[in-house]
Amino acid sequence: EVQLVESGGGLIQPGGSLRLSCAASGFTVSSNYMSWVRQAPGKGLEWVSVIYSGGSTYYADSVKGRFTISRDNSKNTLYLQMNSLRAEDTAVYYCARGAYYYDPRQYYFDYWGQGTLVTVSS
Amino acid sequence: SYVLTQPPSVSVAPGKTARITCGGNNIGSKSVHWYQQKPGQAPVLVIYYDSDRPSGIPERFSGSNSGNTATLTISRVEAGDEADYYCQVWDSSSDVVFGGGTKLTVL
Repeated sequence: EVQLVESGGGLIQPGGSLRLSCAASGFTVSSNYMSWVRQAPGKGLEWVSVIYSGGSTYYADSVKGRFTISRDNSKNTLYLQMNSLRAEDTAVYYCARGAYYYDPRQYYFDYWGQGTLVTVSS
Repeated sequence: SYVLTQPPSVSVAPGKTARITCGGNNIGSKSVHWYQQKPGQAPVLVIYYDSDRPSGIPERFSGSNSGNTATLTISRVEAGDEADYYCQVWDSSSDVVFGGGTKLTVL
């Protein structure tokens, strides 16, 4: 059974750093596309970042240069290092597994974690 | 960057058909995926590649995509279908893009 469990969220002051983790089971993180998607309170979904199975990484413009996505193959875990946090980064952060059939660019998210809340406030 | 436009809300009576649109420039040339999100829960995939249904999703859920509009259709709507629905595509300029979401209200 595929499971994704996020952790690491909490209250952090503006300018601070936080690292989110997403422990996966039932599949191999390094063989899949893995993404972080966030949702500000009362708002819609916003894609944050992806790490492809080959290791390439991409980021939304809103977090580029501040966030870093990575994975630990030995722990089958996905991470999101968040630096220089701002109030507008306050959101529930979901990790999600990307899947595709015939075109690897047209991927979708077939499994999601339950999310971890990050609150940036003084 | 690529933009997907959804109506903020759609209302439908039980047993009727709900149609939720997702507009984008030449979206018919892209693959559109749809998610259902109920309050306090993570999103759930309900349609992928325009019209495919994951296992466990009722046949009442269907999708289409042509021109500048993709549509999620929910037939014989039930109270349990009340949720927010999001469309999603991949675009070379933005990577993953989500629509703003549509709140489906069952009257």
